[in-house]
Amino acid sequence: GQNIDQPTEMTATEGAIVQINCTYQTSGFNGLFWYQQHAGEAPTFLSYNVLDGLEEKGRFSSFLSRSKGYSYLLLKELQMKDSASYLCAVGGSYNTDKLIFGTGTRLQVFP
Amino acid sequence: NAGVTQTPKFRILKIGQSMTLQCTQDMNHNYMYWYRQDPGMGLKLIYYSVGAGITDKGEVPNGYNVSRSTTEDFPLRLELAAPSQTSVYFCASSLDRVTNEQFFGPGTRLTVL
Repeated sequence: GQNIDQPTEMTATEGAIVQINCTYQTSGFNGLFWYQQHAGEAPTFLSYNVLDGLEEKGRFSSFLSRSKGYSYLLLKELQMKDSASYLCAVGGSYNTDKLIFGTGTRLQVFP
Repeated sequence: NAGVTQTPKFRILKIGQSMTLQCTQDMNHNYMYWYRQDPGMGLKLIYYSVGAGITDKGEVPNGYNVSRSTTEDFPLRLELAAPSQTSVYFCASSLDRVTNEQFFGPGTRLTVL
């Protein structure tokens, strides 16, 4: 079956670091994606991992371990505008035509 | 580039009515998708298309139909609307199937009463 788990909600303080975890069990694997979605808006692409390891992009980094079915999104130097939902998605078939999305983690950043 | 555009932004339907949600992209992407997002939930794939004339079902296709006559347009048809179809609908497109970075439209908020 297909299953993606993320924490429902997290809170953090401005300037801090937060790690959002994602575990997955899918019938295939062709990449793991992170999307950001502000309330009432459309998701926007953040990162893509297909090989094990860490991908860094500015204040955001994403890590993947395929053997453990695990990924995390690391947000550094948190800003108020980072308050949003973060969606983990997996390309579960032999290609990435279809993405399976988790339910998302709602992050609230406080001053 | 406008990216992915969707119309209408909001719509209220009565049970049993039909409507078409429009989606257009101007990035010459072959891949297009329709998702629905219920409150507090993730995105569920309804239908997708890998090119003009080719469509396939996603996770939750029942009650919906699609067509893809051009690269740019990918309308979603709701026949006999039901309250369970109350949701926010997002259209997305992507350039390639390898990285599949999807670009989303602003969404259509649909209420069925």
